[in-house]
Amino acid sequence: DAGVTQSPTHLIKTRGQHVTLRCSPISGHKSVSWYQQVLGQGPQFIFQYYEKEERGRGNFPDRFSARQFPNYSSELNVNALLLGDSALYLCASSTTPGLAGTDTQYFGPGTRLTVL
Amino acid sequence: DQQVKQNSPSLSVQEGRISILNCDYTNSMFDYFLWYKKYPAEGPTFLISISSIKDKNEDGRFTVFLNKSAKHLSLHIVPSQPGDSAVYFCAAGGLNTGNQFYFGTGTSLTVIP
Repeated sequence: DAGVTQSPTHLIKTRGQHVTLRCSPISGHKSVSWYQQVLGQGPQFIFQYYEKEERGRGNFPDRFSARQFPNYSSELNVNALLLGDSALYLCASSTTPGLAGTDTQYFGPGTRLTVL
Repeated sequence: DQQVKQNSPSLSVQEGRISILNCDYTNSMFDYFLWYKKYPAEGPTFLISISSIKDKNEDGRFTVFLNKSAKHLSLHIVPSQPGDSAVYFCAAGGLNTGNQFYFGTGTSLTVIP
């Protein structure tokens, strides 16, 4: 079975540009979460989507936005890129939005974003 | 505010011995805990989980212990193998934690052959 897939693998952008990252969840999973992992830190939660609705949002500025499509895939958009946005962006899928606190999230390989 | 803490950035263990990785949390609302393993250039891989109704969960060589009163959990790997060398993250979440999991900063485990 295919796991969570993300594209692109690597991306280089300059300050002020916009970026779109893509994620396809595990088949049958309806919830997608996005995390940012800066070097030396653990993943930081950005968004969670379930059934195309935003169910959770972390402490990130409005430059970050996301959406989920009818096939449960998802996009993360970041506008007006800053140097500090350089990180590994991880997508995780689960069967439910984790409200029960018992649903394991499975991660994709991530997209490495470098902002110059 | 770091709600999940892994105070040991690194750990070295001889092959065949026990590896013990520790994690502390501050939010008493957390009721589900997970451990992930991460190799370079890969996403975190789920290892094992435990809910707050249990104090121990075992899966093969991996055992997670939860001490709710101390807000502490640990991951035991017995016996440790060189392939276990990776960064290990603990994560915590719950019914009332904003639909998200909180991650620690990770512990880099090196198993020496």
